Amino acid sequence: GESVGLHLPTLSVQEGDNSIINCAYSNSASDYFIWYKQESGKGPQFIIDIRSNMDKRQGQRVTVLLNKTVKHLSLQIAATQPGDSAVYFCAENSGGSNYKLTFGKGTLLTVNP
Amino acid sequence: NAGVTQTPKFRILKIGQSMTLQCTQDMNHNYMYWYRQDPGMGLKLIYYSVGAGITDKGEVPNGYNVSRSTTEDFPLRLELAAPSQTSVYFCASSYFGNTEAFFGQGTRLTVV
Repeated sequence: GESVGLHLPTLSVQEGDNSIINCAYSNSASDYFIWYKQESGKGPQFIIDIRSNMDKRQGQRVTVLLNKTVKHLSLQIAATQPGDSAVYFCAENSGGSNYKLTFGKGTLLTVNP
Repeated sequence: NAGVTQTPKFRILKIGQSMTLQCTQDMNHNYMYWYRQDPGMGLKLIYYSVGAGITDKGEVPNGYNVSRSTTEDFPLRLELAAPSQTSVYFCASSYFGNTEAFFGQGTRLTVV
């Protein structure tokens, strides 16, 4: 089965609210994680990444949290905007000689004006 | 920079036909990947390459072949197309194996 999965397949929020998208991973050897945003009809677009030696990383309006104890990853989007509506994927790479990025099924985020 | 460019954007194939999906990148990345994305699903790795002349299978390689004769190009070949290969195909590249991968815009393939 998938080694990376998402708790919520869909998430609907009001414009201006904060959004939290969750992801569980099963490979304890994974040392690199990425969040991608995919808009309809487009390829995945990099949002933010984090390595296993970190617990938190912040970008512009986005924060990724990594909890290695429970193998959980989350993406927080502050002040969500309609342009944030998309499918969000987490992906992991177990490092070493494994160059494969494993993707979860994705969460559809809908931002209501 | 164009980034990762895929051609064609759309294609309809008949069962048993063959075709090559083209992918080229201008970022001098060593690593290149081919994924397929079925409706409502995540991306599954078909093949990847860590440098010119080196390719390896991903999760779902059956029915596909690749080659990597140059750093820039990583074509994906479908032999004897089947309806199960109807999907959106994405090519990606990265500088290292565990760094950000940049994706192309995808090729939507329908096999009828």
